[in-house]
Amino acid sequence: ETGVTQTPRHLVMGMTNKKSLKCEQHLGHNAMYWYKQSAKKPLELMFVYNFKEQTENNSVPSRFSPECPNSSHLFLHLHTLQPEDSALYLCASSQEGITSGTTDTQYFGPGTRLTVL
Amino acid sequence: TQLLEQSPQFLSIQEGENLTVYCNSSSVFSSLQWYRQEPGEGPVLLVTVVTGGEVKKLKRLTFQFGDARKDSSLHITAAQPGDTGLYLCADQAGTALIFGKGTTLSVSS
Repeated sequence: ETGVTQTPRHLVMGMTNKKSLKCEQHLGHNAMYWYKQSAKKPLELMFVYNFKEQTENNSVPSRFSPECPNSSHLFLHLHTLQPEDSALYLCASSQEGITSGTTDTQYFGPGTRLTVL
Repeated sequence: TQLLEQSPQFLSIQEGENLTVYCNSSSVFSSLQWYRQEPGEGPVLLVTVVTGGEVKKLKRLTFQFGDARKDSSLHITAAQPGDTGLYLCADQAGTALIFGKGTTLSVSS
């Protein structure tokens, strides 16, 4: 039990659909992250939120829209995705967030396996 | 842009064997981390190393950090089926973690 949960665990959607991924952390952390894990590429950071404020957008296409209503919840809204967006989407949280010169352990959820048809 | 190369990409061994996997960086690591990701789960942090030449042990796992802080190895002694998973190395680079593609380890009984 990592304390970070993600729903749904599996999602199949068409390119014209709109769906949302949900992440919840029960660790009292202040920073939350979205990562994308594709079969042939390294795990890639997408977004970072510190104290509900977005502090990092790693050149992610606008068809991915994050939302962080509070420190415990993080959403990833999806619309008009492409087949190449099929991947495992991982959420993570950490106590204070990554800042230069510090190492802040990140705790990952189990991920949502997304398939775009 | 920093690149992390991990080798081998795949490794399939029998229970009881020893193995070593490697992680090499195109630039000096800021803070090297090793993770294990089991099927259907997210990565779990195993260890963080920051000092060149550092060796850390975690039960049957031994982590070595190169003197020049550009390479690292993970050695597993007497592998068990429970060691099966994807082993990832990562570096903290500013506000992001940079990951390698990982080594997929399969240990059969």
